Amino acid sequence: ENVLTQSPGTLSLSPGERATLSCRASESVAFNYLAWFQQKPGQAPRLLIYGASTRDTGIPDRFSASGSGTDFTLTISRLEPEDFAVYYCQQYGTSSYTFGQGTKLEIK
Amino acid sequence: QVQLQESGPGLVTPSETLSLTCTVSGYSISSAYFWGWFRQPPGKGLEWIGSIYHSGSTYYNPSLKSRVTISMDTSKNQFSLNLNSVTAADTAFYFCTRGISSPGAAGLWGQGTLVTVSS
Repeated sequence: ENVLTQSPGTLSLSPGERATLSCRASESVAFNYLAWFQQKPGQAPRLLIYGASTRDTGIPDRFSASGSGTDFTLTISRLEPEDFAVYYCQQYGTSSYTFGQGTKLEIK
Repeated sequence: QVQLQESGPGLVTPSETLSLTCTVSGYSISSAYFWGWFRQPPGKGLEWIGSIYHSGSTYYNPSLKSRVTISMDTSKNQFSLNLNSVTAADTAFYFCTRGISSPGAAGLWGQGTLVTVSS
């Protein structure tokens, strides 16, 4: 299976700062089917990005993403208080449609 | 507005079958999309369980395939998950989803339901 490794495990930043999250796949992600999710405590994941770089409907433009093949990045340009959460990447190109272990974005 | 809502027992006895239903409102599940199930053990990461296409084709995680069945009832606009021979390792939040592009895609999620496997 395609193993996704996210880094860092925890990212401590202040509101207004820029966040850069990484997701590396053990195999090339088919069709560039790479998604990013945000999950807050007690809530379901929320789709932010699909197709490696396309924002889902209603997602603020401070969220951007890039990458192809095995290396992907999610960037939050200026952190808002509501952005502090856990972020997961997922490849949905090849079964078993695996997730990274998550990056916790916490307030410094 | 399309909404998904999971329902089912919150407690299942080891070796028995976990059964959950996802009720979809605002969209007919027979029209399009993949309708899926994911799970997340408390405090841990996410795992795809399986999906059913609007046509009825099913797709399962190979690691769970021998124990999983996903079905749909278009008259009730629901789809269901059955996971048999459960153990404590199956304790998790279970989410139903709607996705496009692939069986593992999940653009819309239900709120999730916690299922505990314990005697």
